[in-house]
This record gives sequence, C-alpha cells and structure tokens, in this order.
Amino acid sequence: GAGVSQSPSNKVTEKGKDVELRCDPISGHTALYWYRQSLGQGLEFLIYFQGNSAPDKSGLPSDRFSAERTGGSVSTLTIQRTQQEDSAVYLCASSPGAPSGSRTDTQYFGPGTRLTVL
Amino acid sequence: GQSLEQPSEVTAVEGAIVQINCTYQTSGFYGLSWYQQHDGGAPTFLSYNALDGLEETGRFSSFLSRSDSYGYLLLQELQMKDSASYFCAVRDYSGNTPLVFGKGTRLSVIA
Repeated sequence: GAGVSQSPSNKVTEKGKDVELRCDPISGHTALYWYRQSLGQGLEFLIYFQGNSAPDKSGLPSDRFSAERTGGSVSTLTIQRTQQEDSAVYLCASSPGAPSGSRTDTQYFGPGTRLTVL
Repeated sequence: GQSLEQPSEVTAVEGAIVQINCTYQTSGFYGLSWYQQHDGGAPTFLSYNALDGLEETGRFSSFLSRSDSYGYLLLQELQMKDSASYFCAVRDYSGNTPLVFGKGTRLSVIA
C-alpha cells in the first residue's frame, strides 16, 4: 500500500515568509509525528498527534511553528516568518494505533520536505 | 534530560562485521530502536529491543542491556548498499509516543 507522502519535496523561501508543509500518513494510522533534521544531525521531535487527543507540542522550537491535523488524517506544519535557522529537512512519520505498552515502536517516515530559507 | 551517544562515523570493509554502539540517558525507557537512513532518503525501521538480549533479523542484529543503558546494532556480511546513517532512538513513555534520536552513525563500507 501507499506509504507516508509529503509535499512539497523541496521548498525555497525568503526570510520572513510563511510556509506550509503537508503530510499524508498511511491510511488507518492514528499517530502522526513531525521531526526536523538539520544537515548531519539526528532527528529533532517537533509535534505529535494521537487520534483525537490534544497534540503534544513540546518539541516546537518557537511560537512561529504550528501544526494541525484535519479529520485525523492529513497534517499541515506551518512556519510563520521563516528564519534562516529554520532551513532543514522536515520529516513526517506515522504509526498504527495500539494499546499502551504494546510493541508500537515502528514509525514509518515520509521522504521529507527540504526547506531552504534564503 | 535525554541524551543518546553513538559514534559519528564508522568505516568497514565489504564482507566484514561492524558494531555500532549506543548509550542512552532518559527519564523513562520503553525500548531501543534502530533506523537506517540513506543519503537523501527517509529513515526506515530496522529493529526494536524492549528487553535485554539479542534480536536477530537476517544480517542485522540488535542488542540491549537495560542495566547498562546500552545497546548496539551488529551488521554482518557487510554490503556496499549498507553504507548509510544509522540512528538509535528511544521512547521514554509507553505507547505511540515520539522517539528521541541519537545524532546518527555514518557507516561507510569500502571494498
């Protein structure tokens, strides 16, 4: 079946502009995550959605970052007034909903959106 | 705080065996995972250890020692296509929760 998809694959923007990044998770997956990866670095958690629960926004680096997930499926990450330090690859992942304590570790990643802020 | 330590780079010869270590410090612990990422690609899941011991999946094995807060990924019969970055990751809460990733180990397989 289809995996996680993200769009656009590449985005170049000017400092101060707003950008929207889209993620389509695997159908039926209730958990959706956004991560950020800077060049040569590990993945930095940004925000997490689980079903209809309030999202975990603890990883968002500033109030310029926000995300929503409509209808429990597609998610949009919005960065307002972009800065050069926002340049990175933004990765989305999803995982199937499973009871707490079960083996739920596998996250399926999309190809990412490479954001360049000039 | 949470931290994971793994070597930044490893080089090994085709056909050989390589071990990538990972030590972690987290407030809670619900398993150690390994992900592979080729240049320009998405991270893909390799293995998961929740309990002490060795998990084997083909040429790849992963080990965990909870008492030592330590694990490793073992790659056998290395192939050129194994050249990639390998990330260890932990969950410090149960259930579908975000992973905390190490900075990755870049493996270069040479002929």
